[in-house]
Amino acid sequence: DADVTQTPRNRITKTGKRIMLECSQTKGHDRMYWYRQDPGLGLRLIYYSFDVKDINKGEISDGYSVSRQAQAKFSLSLESAIPNQTALYFCATRDPKVNEQFFGPGTRLTVL
Amino acid sequence: SQQGEEDPQALSIQEGENATMNCSYKTSINNLQWYRQNSGRGLVHLILIRSNEREKHSGRLRVTLDTSKKSSSLLITASRAADTASYFCATDGGGSEKLVFGKGTKLTVNP
Repeated sequence: DADVTQTPRNRITKTGKRIMLECSQTKGHDRMYWYRQDPGLGLRLIYYSFDVKDINKGEISDGYSVSRQAQAKFSLSLESAIPNQTALYFCATRDPKVNEQFFGPGTRLTVL
Repeated sequence: SQQGEEDPQALSIQEGENATMNCSYKTSINNLQWYRQNSGRGLVHLILIRSNEREKHSGRLRVTLDTSKKSSSLLITASRAADTASYFCATDGGGSEKLVFGKGTKLTVNP
């Protein structure tokens, strides 16, 4: 089984809708991250969390919110989706001992 | 703003050749990492090099780091078609808990 899972894997929605992307991990890591990737660009950090009570904004947090329901779960919400939020979204965890990040398979979101 | 910038943006080579990708960054770092992404999939960690290291090897991968020039290179030797992917460098910004990724180099290895 995958260590970092994301649901849904694909989602098409309309402008103005509320969307939640979910991430779960079995690696036992405290650190979790949400990134978005646009064609031809690298990953940009949206939010990150060190534990359930520690949530931090990343580079591009406007228009997004997150919830850390448990150590293993970190959700990303788009309160009112807009077309320029069409992108590939990745969740990741981090092992602080080796600084390596472990990525989920991604969610492809299309906002019409 | 993104810290890492890879060069070239795209690279096409024949199987068996070596592939070299470069990364430049702007601020001091504790370490620099390279990740691989197969089309549309999640990134996979390849190798980490610390700021006090100059070269590191892992299988067919060789990474160099020049902190005076704020640059790193990733060499893949004896490339295979399965190496076709995008490769990203990521830096930690000098101790931050966050990674900053470059835009990546898209490598195509032709059989």
